[in-house]
Amino acid sequence: DTAVSQTPKYLVTQMGNDKSIKCEQNLGHDTMYWYKQDSKKFLKIMFSYNNKELIINETVPNRFSPKSPDKAHLNLHINSLELGDSAVYFCASSQGAGMGTEAFFGQGTRLTVV
Amino acid sequence: GENVEQHPSTLSVQEGDSAVIKCTYSDSASNYFPWYKQELGKRPQLIIDIRSNVGEKKDQRIAVTLNKTAKHFSLHITETQPEDSAVYFCAASKANFGNEKLTFGTGTRLTIIP
Repeated sequence: DTAVSQTPKYLVTQMGNDKSIKCEQNLGHDTMYWYKQDSKKFLKIMFSYNNKELIINETVPNRFSPKSPDKAHLNLHINSLELGDSAVYFCASSQGAGMGTEAFFGQGTRLTVV
Repeated sequence: GENVEQHPSTLSVQEGDSAVIKCTYSDSASNYFPWYKQELGKRPQLIIDIRSNVGEKKDQRIAVTLNKTAKHFSLHITETQPEDSAVYFCAASKANFGNEKLTFGTGTRLTIIP
């Protein structure tokens, strides 16, 4: 009964391709996020959405386009993949109720661009 | 924006000894400070958190202290065990309805030596 699930878990693709990662949460949370974890393990926020509305966009290249069809889903589409996009991408969700609440992470998607 | 520094980047302690990880933050408006543990190949998971109206919080072998004046907070793990080996991340955020952004520290790789 996974709380935050993302697919696929592994993604190997060639430079220049377009790919998508899907994320779903069944916790009833209002806020969802995408984080990128690079090879040095740095965790950096990319986007956050609250009730399907984009709230945070951390100067991510516009090749990355998040889409939230409803508050339980936040997908990430990446165009024209580059070698530097190789990383683990984590989806997360939180209640976002203004109190500072736990962020629950998905299992991650390891993206390798060759 | 918020900047979180974390030290040390690696830490090795003998099983049974204590481990301390320290973080500093830059934004005095930050009011929520969680700690996440990430085991190899797994997702980050919350282990303890503290809010700015509290100076210390303890949960069994884990404790966190917060000094708002100095803008630093620390994680203390006592009686360390092999399963404590992981990467630990501190984070800071301003709890703000629908707009919570966790800024993570750079992580500490903790190794428990049997």
